[in-house]
Amino acid sequence: SQTIHQWPATLVQPVGSPLSLECTVEGTSNPNLYWYRQAAGRGLQLLFYSVGIGQISSEVPQNLSASRPQDRQFILSSKKLLLSDSGFYLCAWSSPPGQGFWYGYTFGSGTRLTVV
Amino acid sequence: AQSVTQLGSHVSVSEGALVLLRCNYSSSVPPYLFWYVQYPNQGLQLLLKYTSAATLVKGINGFEAEFKKSETSFHLTKPSAHMSDAAEYFCAVTKAGSSNTGKLIFGQGTTLQVKP
Repeated sequence: SQTIHQWPATLVQPVGSPLSLECTVEGTSNPNLYWYRQAAGRGLQLLFYSVGIGQISSEVPQNLSASRPQDRQFILSSKKLLLSDSGFYLCAWSSPPGQGFWYGYTFGSGTRLTVV
Repeated sequence: AQSVTQLGSHVSVSEGALVLLRCNYSSSVPPYLFWYVQYPNQGLQLLLKYTSAATLVKGINGFEAEFKKSETSFHLTKPSAHMSDAAEYFCAVTKAGSSNTGKLIFGQGTTLQVKP
């Protein structure tokens, strides 16, 4: 069966420090991968999505970047964190659409990032 | 453009009472529709999905939702609320079939409070 792992679960970082959040998927190949941010009272905001290795689409301009160095690995990064980067970050995967029945997303357990 | 509207950011019910969480969507083509549940500091878990089969969809934990094309609605219901149902609920939509880009559009979420 497929599983998704996201770490760390919580992170407290000072303003101006770098960030690296990692997400890996097991039990499937060529998944679509997604990074969402959930800020208090603002719902879910799609940050990045990827349909393959090295293929990253950014949904909103921001202080963050994403990379997909391997088929089932998705990394969210920042060179210098801002206070406004605080939030709950969620990774998700889906099968590529158009290849049979589409089940939607499976989410990781999330990372609570607090920038101080 | 697709959009999802969840009516009521907070819903409060008594234990044992009917749960009704409202979701309306706009989509120019037939949609896939989803309901997800999020418990505090956790990722989102799929409750149920509509993918153009039966209009009444049954999900986990006793929840169900009915797709009503004429009303562009996909409301979530449960006959009898349990304390464990207290959580945040998200409705999501994407285009179905060959128009599916794999990107879910989420509503702003509804927090369900269950009173003893």
